[in-house]
Amino acid sequence: KAGVTQTPRYLIKTRGQQVTLSCSPISGHRSVSWYQQTPGQGLQFLFEYFSETQRNKGNFPGRFSGRQFSNSRSEMNVSTLELGDSALYLCASSNRDQSQETQYFGPGTRLLVL
Amino acid sequence: SQQGEEDPQALSIQEGENATMNCSYKTSINNLQWYRQNSGRGLVHLILIRSNEREKHSGRLRVTLDTSKKSSSLLITASRAADTASYFCATDPIQGAQKLVFGQGTRLTINP
Repeated sequence: KAGVTQTPRYLIKTRGQQVTLSCSPISGHRSVSWYQQTPGQGLQFLFEYFSETQRNKGNFPGRFSGRQFSNSRSEMNVSTLELGDSALYLCASSNRDQSQETQYFGPGTRLLVL
Repeated sequence: SQQGEEDPQALSIQEGENATMNCSYKTSINNLQWYRQNSGRGLVHLILIRSNEREKHSGRLRVTLDTSKKSSSLLITASRAADTASYFCATDPIQGAQKLVFGQGTRLTINP
């Protein structure tokens, strides 16, 4: 099976702009989670989607939003970008039907906000 | 907020030696997972240990879990240069909205 793919891999934006990141999960996986990784805060959970519904949400401001499509692909959007949003954004998919599921991560999108 | 704390933050050993990393966490969990990350790339899943398991092996990896102490350790035996990476523990908490809660990671360097 193909792994989790994320696009774009690199992105440069300026403060105030918005950005949309895309994640395609492993075929058959219906759960997609998003994480932000920064040197200062480490890996932090953003949100999880399952069957087009947001199931869990981390402690991030409303500028961070996401959605999931019927084919399980997911997008996350960050509006009004701030310098502190510069980070590696990772998405992970899993087979939610399993009670103890492994998260499979994509290569990430590195976002730089200038 | 981070649930896990990893120890040490950085570890440098010679190729062929064993590497041990420790992880402590705060709340009750369903399982604990270990991941590897090379130079800011995606995370690679290494091993998952359930809350009712005490030890698990996978190749050169050995993971232990002590739920009474809320701690886990990852042992990599006969290390190789290719093992150089950052290693993260991640807990799947029983309660709370977080999917996985990661530690700050251990930066492992294997010297040839």
